Amino acid sequence: DGGITQSPKYLFRKEGQNVTLSCEQNLNHDAMYWYRQDPGQGLRLIYYSHIVNDFQKGDIAEGYSVSREKKESFPLTVTSAQKNPTAFYLCASTAEGLSGDTQYFGPGTRLTVL
Amino acid sequence: GENVEQHPSTLSVQEGDSAVIKCTYSDSASNYFPWYKQELGKGPQLIIDIRSNVGEKKDQRIAVTLNKTAKHFSLHITETQPEDSAVYFCAAIDRDDKIIFGKGTRLHILP
Repeated sequence: DGGITQSPKYLFRKEGQNVTLSCEQNLNHDAMYWYRQDPGQGLRLIYYSHIVNDFQKGDIAEGYSVSREKKESFPLTVTSAQKNPTAFYLCASTAEGLSGDTQYFGPGTRLTVL
Repeated sequence: GENVEQHPSTLSVQEGDSAVIKCTYSDSASNYFPWYKQELGKGPQLIIDIRSNVGEKKDQRIAVTLNKTAKHFSLHITETQPEDSAVYFCAAIDRDDKIIFGKGTRLHILP
């Protein structure tokens, strides 16, 4: 999966709890992204970061938070404010975040809220 | 913003036949169109891409065509094999340099 690791592969959470999904890349890529995938919905962008210590909201950022303290790491926190968090979460990276850069995806984390 | 429509949502073809997946986009400024293959439980993998300065690109059994005037692009898989069974996503880069994905096509290769 292109040098991107996500953990854990499966995650279960009780309602009202925050949970953090890990994403690490060893590709020396500047840009990193978080997507949410639901059946029949394709991939929707949650947050992205083109450089350390900077990140931008995507199309569905409500109920999520991120940090980018290190180039290789871009953790995603799913907060209790996210109304329907059960989904498959994908992390991706590109070399420079420029138009036409190839996106490399991690293997994903499947989050289930009990 | 950019809107990418992908059809069909499900496609079944006999092994050895060809499969075609079509996408349309709305932003005439889009200039990069990647295609991704996602196997069950895994992340998407780039399989082929095309930029707006060419009309067709081929890589072994996979080809992509682009019609900028009509704003549509297609993925063609010839001589399909069982391992081609997966979900395929088309995408386009919008004017803010974000990738906008289609909703995916589930391809079944029938024995």
